[in-house]
Amino acid sequence: DAGVIQSPRHEVTEMGQEVTLRCKPISGHDYLFWYRQTMMRGLELLIYFNNNVPIDDSGMPEDRFSAKMPNASFSTLKIQPSEPRDSAVYFCASSLLGRDQPQHFGDGTRLSIL
Amino acid sequence: EDQVTQSPEALRLQEGESSSLNCSYTVSGLRGLFWYRQDPGKGPEFLFTLYSAGEEKEKERLKATLTKKESFLHITAPKPEDSATYLCAVGVSGGSYIPTFGRGTSLIVHP
Repeated sequence: DAGVIQSPRHEVTEMGQEVTLRCKPISGHDYLFWYRQTMMRGLELLIYFNNNVPIDDSGMPEDRFSAKMPNASFSTLKIQPSEPRDSAVYFCASSLLGRDQPQHFGDGTRLSIL
Repeated sequence: EDQVTQSPEALRLQEGESSSLNCSYTVSGLRGLFWYRQDPGKGPEFLFTLYSAGEEKEKERLKATLTKKESFLHITAPKPEDSATYLCAVGVSGGSYIPTFGRGTSLIVHP
């Protein structure tokens, strides 16, 4: 089975530019999650979707961040405008329905804002 | 507020030196406790789910156990390839659906 696929794997851009991260979840999974991981704060949940509908975006740090899931096989996380403090590794994960279901993670996008 | 604490933060072992990692939690209504392994430059990889106190699961040199307050990940005769960060997360009944992650234990196994 194909796992969660994220692109790009690495992104380096200048402050103020728009950044778009992409994710393809595992087919058949009901939930999709976006996380950010830094040394200082560990793994932070940004937003999650259930059946393509955003359920909780309270982890999104600012209005500069937005996420969409136009269909069951694709999601984007956009940062506009980007700032150096947004530099981190961004992970997408998906899971089946159920509080006892594990999340399956992609390999992340390493984002560097100069 | 639900809390998940992992200890130690970092652990260095010699190859073959068995040890345990700890994940303690203060949540009510545990639905599942998850262990993940994360290699540098990779996303967390799912290892185990434990559902109730007394449950144990094994995979190669890893054995996960669960009590009402904590979980242990026992590593028997580790090898250098076991070096990684190990994360635990708990899923609970009610409230937020989202599992709560600990900060992880960074394990280095020296040959």
